[in-house]
Amino acid sequence: ELKVEQNPLFLSMQEGKNYTIYCNYSTTSDRLYWYRQDPGKSLESLFVLLSNGAVKQEGRLMASLDTKARLSTLHITAAVHDLSATYFCAVDSGNEKLTFGTGTRLTIIP
Amino acid sequence: DAGVTQSPTHLIKTRGQQVTLRCSPKSGHDTVSWYQQALGQGPQFIFQYYEEEERQRGNFPDRFSGHQFPNYSSELNVNALLLGDSALYLCASSVMGGFNYGYTFGSGTRLTVV
Repeated sequence: ELKVEQNPLFLSMQEGKNYTIYCNYSTTSDRLYWYRQDPGKSLESLFVLLSNGAVKQEGRLMASLDTKARLSTLHITAAVHDLSATYFCAVDSGNEKLTFGTGTRLTIIP
Repeated sequence: DAGVTQSPTHLIKTRGQQVTLRCSPKSGHDTVSWYQQALGQGPQFIFQYYEEEERQRGNFPDRFSGHQFPNYSSELNVNALLLGDSALYLCASSVMGGFNYGYTFGSGTRLTVV
């Protein structure tokens, strides 16, 4: 059974700082997705990573995928308040069914 | 271009009752998946519908059932509601085989069972 783990679960960081969220998964996959969720809201797609070594960037967020290590990272550069949200990674092990991580609740402190 | 539409947005039901949630997929999408998200948790896969058939199912009891219509819209039915069924129910649409385009989620239906 595919397991997806994220760390940290909670993250408070100051504006302007950099940090990384990690997503580990237990079985072979080259399909990994990152989503953002604001409180009480739905999931907003951030990145689709489909091959080993894939790197994608949008604004202050950059995501990468290492399929050999079964690891994806979401890097936040020079954090700003409006990045406060919960971030989920989700893995598709080949059957187009997503298994989500536990989420990382990010709070940016002024 | 309308995204994924879910209805209702909120619902309060009593234990033992039955509930039906609805989802209209994004234009051009033919596959609908349902997820349950309990408070403070990540979404969990319930089942997926394609060509009006349940294609695969997660670890949910038979109280959870669904349907897909010829226009690709879908319903999720839950019978004999339990307090533990209280959650945000999310519908995701996609194109079968189009995993590279990702999945589009609706705004969800928040179900409260009292």
